[in-house]
Amino acid sequence: EPEVTQTPSHQVTQMGQEVILRCVPISNHLYFYWYRQILGQKVEFLVSFYNNEISEKSEIFDDQFSVERPDGSNFTLKIRSTKLEDSAMYFCASQEGENTEAFFGQGTRLTVV
Amino acid sequence: AQKVTQAQTEISVVEKEDVTLDCVYETRDTTYYLFWYKQPPSGELVFLIRRNSFDEQNEISGRYSWNFQKSTSSFNFTITASQVVDSAVYFCALSEGNSGNTPLVFGKGTRLSVIA
Repeated sequence: EPEVTQTPSHQVTQMGQEVILRCVPISNHLYFYWYRQILGQKVEFLVSFYNNEISEKSEIFDDQFSVERPDGSNFTLKIRSTKLEDSAMYFCASQEGENTEAFFGQGTRLTVV
Repeated sequence: AQKVTQAQTEISVVEKEDVTLDCVYETRDTTYYLFWYKQPPSGELVFLIRRNSFDEQNEISGRYSWNFQKSTSSFNFTITASQVVDSAVYFCALSEGNSGNTPLVFGKGTRLSVIA
């Protein structure tokens, strides 16, 4: 069964460093999302991506964040200069089209020390 | 503004008991989608169901059933004859609009523990 794949499963980084979280969405899906979940809290929307551009972003998605789809298959989230409060589980999701459900990857746990 | 409330933070039941997880939502849109996701201890988010606002029929899938009531803005989830493998955090979520691809707004989740 097709699935959304995220790498790495866990990343530890020092404050101020740049990190790139990677996602391979399901191949025929057109809509892509990043969400994050701070430990023990609810899942929060970061950004959505369609047709090679950002379609919507939340207040959390400030200038230190960026997304791209460099090669038509991978979908990446870059955090330019990590802060302690960026520590969270980051989920990638993809959706085939309108009126379909979003499927989530297994998440990347980011720990900023 | 859209909002999802899951008032039950934690529920603990004994195996084989039935359990209902509550979800109340707020939205100004007449067209929207409601979802339930399961997050087992391993951490991934597993899709369970998607329901649009025009379909108020209740749904049953094996031991799972969902009760959608627009009059009370609720979308409750019942597990019949619970099993230890049902232990997880369950999230209710809402997506506004008729395109069906607007971002999900999640509730805070309900942690279900099923004890053998």
